[in-house]
Amino acid sequence: GAGVSQSPRYKVAKRGQDVALRCDPISGHVSLFWYQQALGQGPEFLTYFQNEAQLDKSGLPSDRFFAERPEGSVSTLKIQRTQQEDSAVYLCASSPVQGAGYTFGSGTRLTVV
Amino acid sequence: GQQLNQSPQSMFIQEGEDVSMNCTSSSIFNTWLWYKQEPGEGPVLLIALYKAGELTSNGRLTAQFGITRKDSFLNISASIPSDVGIYFCAGRGGTASKLTFGTGTRLQVTL
Repeated sequence: GAGVSQSPRYKVAKRGQDVALRCDPISGHVSLFWYQQALGQGPEFLTYFQNEAQLDKSGLPSDRFFAERPEGSVSTLKIQRTQQEDSAVYLCASSPVQGAGYTFGSGTRLTVV
Repeated sequence: GQQLNQSPQSMFIQEGEDVSMNCTSSSIFNTWLWYKQEPGEGPVLLIALYKAGELTSNGRLTAQFGITRKDSFLNISASIPSDVGIYFCAGRGGTASKLTFGTGTRLQVTL
């Protein structure tokens, strides 16, 4: 597609529920990133893929967070046993090569109640 | 996690005025980027800077990569209502691909 597509746009989860957030990057983009943006804050890095390889997951806040990109295109961010502090906008971004500026998707707003 | 310091935190200006904002870091960066974010959307890249001392323009926007590599500045000239939004700086250091974002500057433009 023309841009980075994320789904769902909004997700309400009960505390303890598992959620899966999807990212469709721009076709052909090698690099894919996940960021978490809390209300009133700048985005914070979660994890980075180059093709299907997860090269950096240093930003994942706990082992409840897991990301995959099995075929080097679509990526899924999974959060297990959601907690209230997981409430945030989850942004996906892609870039054609390492080091280039990213294109962000519109994000998924997760609210844990 | 680490966030870069941006100032001012918010600005209320009249249409036609010029705007300046800056971003500082305790770490050295090799790349500085400036993004604009509007409600319900992801950040959109405005300007990218790759070299210390570099001054780059994009229309009414001008950004500079500080000579110390620890800061960057963004200027918007002759502001218009569609400039409203939150402006974020972001830095990338070493061989890392991830960006570290600033805390944001919220810009409001009145007619």
